[in-house]
This record gives sequence, C-alpha cells and structure tokens, in this order.
Amino acid sequence: EDQVTQSPEALRLQEGESSSLNCSYTVSGLRGLFWYRQDPGKGPEFLFTLYSAGEEKEKERLKATLTKKESFLHITAPKPEDSATYLCAVVGNNNDMRFGAGTRLTVKP
Amino acid sequence: DSGVTQTPKHLITATGQRVTLRCSPRSGDLSVYWYQQSLDQGLQFLIQYYNGEERAKGNILERFSAQQFPDLHSELNLSSLELGDSALYFCASSSWAASTQYFGPGTRLTVL
Repeated sequence: EDQVTQSPEALRLQEGESSSLNCSYTVSGLRGLFWYRQDPGKGPEFLFTLYSAGEEKEKERLKATLTKKESFLHITAPKPEDSATYLCAVVGNNNDMRFGAGTRLTVKP
Repeated sequence: DSGVTQTPKHLITATGQRVTLRCSPRSGDLSVYWYQQSLDQGLQFLIQYYNGEERAKGNILERFSAQQFPDLHSELNLSSLELGDSALYFCASSSWAASTQYFGPGTRLTVL
C-alpha cells in the first residue's frame, strides 16, 4: 500500500531562518509527487508537481526536490506569511492520490 | 482562485438529517474527487468520479454517496448524519487520473 510520511509534524522558525520539510514515500510506480499549502479552514493550494528523481522546482522562497524515496521542501528566508500547513501527496500506478498528514509551519517575526 | 467552486460554504444541521454538497470542477477537468478533513486531521479521500463514472472509492461510509452529472458537476450526499460527520468537505478536480488536483474552498458541515 502506498504510504506518505511527513516530518516534522510541526516546525517553528524565526523570520529569515531557512529550513527544510521532509516527505518520505513508498509507492508502486511513482507517477507524481505533489506539494500543497493549506491555510486554516481553506482548501489546499497547489505548489509543485515533481515526476522523477533529480527533478527540482522553485517558486519564490520555496524549492522542492525529489529523490527515489523522499522529497524535500526547502524554505529560504521565510516570512510570517509562509506560515501554513504543507501537504505532500503521491500518485502511483493505481492512480490514487495519497496524502501525508502535513507539516504545520509557524514563522515568527 | 483554483477555478473549483463548492456550495454551500457552511452548513449547519441536526443529527439524523440528510444534506447535499455541490461541486463544479475547473473548466475542462473530467475528474472530480471528494475529501473529508476533520478537525486537526489529514485529508481523507472519499470517492472519485471520471467523466460521470465512479473510478475509485476510499474511506467513504455507506451513509454517504456521490454522483457526477453530464455537465460534470458533482454532488456528495450525506445521510443519517452523526456528530462525528462534522468536518470540512473538499472537492478537487483534475484533467486526468494522475494529474494535479485543484481544490475548492470547501464546505464546512456542522452537525448538532
């Protein structure tokens, strides 16, 4: 069965303090790995899709990378508005999207 | 704005009642997904439709059902509601089975 594990569960950073969020996965035939951002009470907002090991994508202060077993979401010089829950999801050969529990990020000014 | 719309935004009802949640996918998307998110819980996949046909089922209770209509909008029906059904219900859409899912703003259901 496909599994997605995100760590840490919660992360508190000072503004400007760079860090990384981890998403470890086991999936039969990875067809895509997805990162979303979710604010409280809102729908998840799409950030990135990665398809193969070695792929990287960037958007403003965020950079996502992918290996054969895990993905990292690197946050460079975060700002308070980056505070949110970051969700990782994978799709395998069964075409079903499986979500991790998320990392709750708090950035203090 | 993801392009996925959901109505209503909020729904308050009593135990034992039946409600219907509605979702309109992004223009051109054929797949619709329903998820449940309880307080401080992760996203739980309920069911997926592709071009009107049920394609996959997740942790969906027998009291819940869904359908996708010819115009591709979808409805999630929840019946014999219990207190534990209180949650955010999200709809997502994608153009094909394994492609990026775009989420709607959700319907917050409160069962009293």
